[in-house]
Amino acid sequence: DIVMTQSPDSLAVSLGERATINCKSSQSVLYSSSNRSHLAWYQQKPGQPPKLLTYWASTRESGVPDRFSGSGSGTDFTLTISSLQAEDVAVYYCQQYYSSPRTFGPGTKVDIK
Amino acid sequence: QVQLVQSGAEVKKPGASVKISCRASGYTFTSYYMHWVRQAPGQGLEWLGIINPSGTTTNYAQKFQGRVTMTRDTSTTTLYMEMSSLRSEDTAVYYCAREVAVGNGALQYWGQGTLVTVSS
Repeated sequence: DIVMTQSPDSLAVSLGERATINCKSSQSVLYSSSNRSHLAWYQQKPGQPPKLLTYWASTRESGVPDRFSGSGSGTDFTLTISSLQAEDVAVYYCQQYYSSPRTFGPGTKVDIK
Repeated sequence: QVQLVQSGAEVKKPGASVKISCRASGYTFTSYYMHWVRQAPGQGLEWLGIINPSGTTTNYAQKFQGRVTMTRDTSTTTLYMEMSSLRSEDTAVYYCAREVAVGNGALQYWGQGTLVTVSS
């Protein structure tokens, strides 16, 4: 199984400041034939299902604000919120969909400082 | 618009089984892979398994092999997940989710979740 880790476990950022979340996979999730990393990021607010933010590591889902950006390839990935807004308070998960089981990271809680 | 509407909350005793439904609408049901994911109270997301568009092939997480069965009914555009031999650790919110597209396994649409409580 591919193990997903995230850092930090939680972070508090001032409104308008940048938030950076890291995700690492225990093996590469890059499909060489397509040169795409099979990595998604989700946002989950209390009492709600997760919401897809990005897939292929860096493709933003339709309707997601452009302050959210994903980057990375292979085994190391980053989700950046360029200017934190109050509505961004949530838990963020990465997930690999390269192979089954489709494992999730443990989550990173983002709060306002 | 795409909608995944799940059945209501369940309370079960240890050792019992539960079957949750997820009714899909707003898209061609037989064109997408579907997944089940669960979340124990205060915990992270745990992937249970996947079923192919026609319902002929499933792939379950090893942890749930032999206890989980995923099916789909194309006539009613409904997905089902049945879990047997329930224990207290199975208390969680269970979600169905649809992939972005064939070949893109990110989970684009999610049901609202079904709380399953296992308690004696």
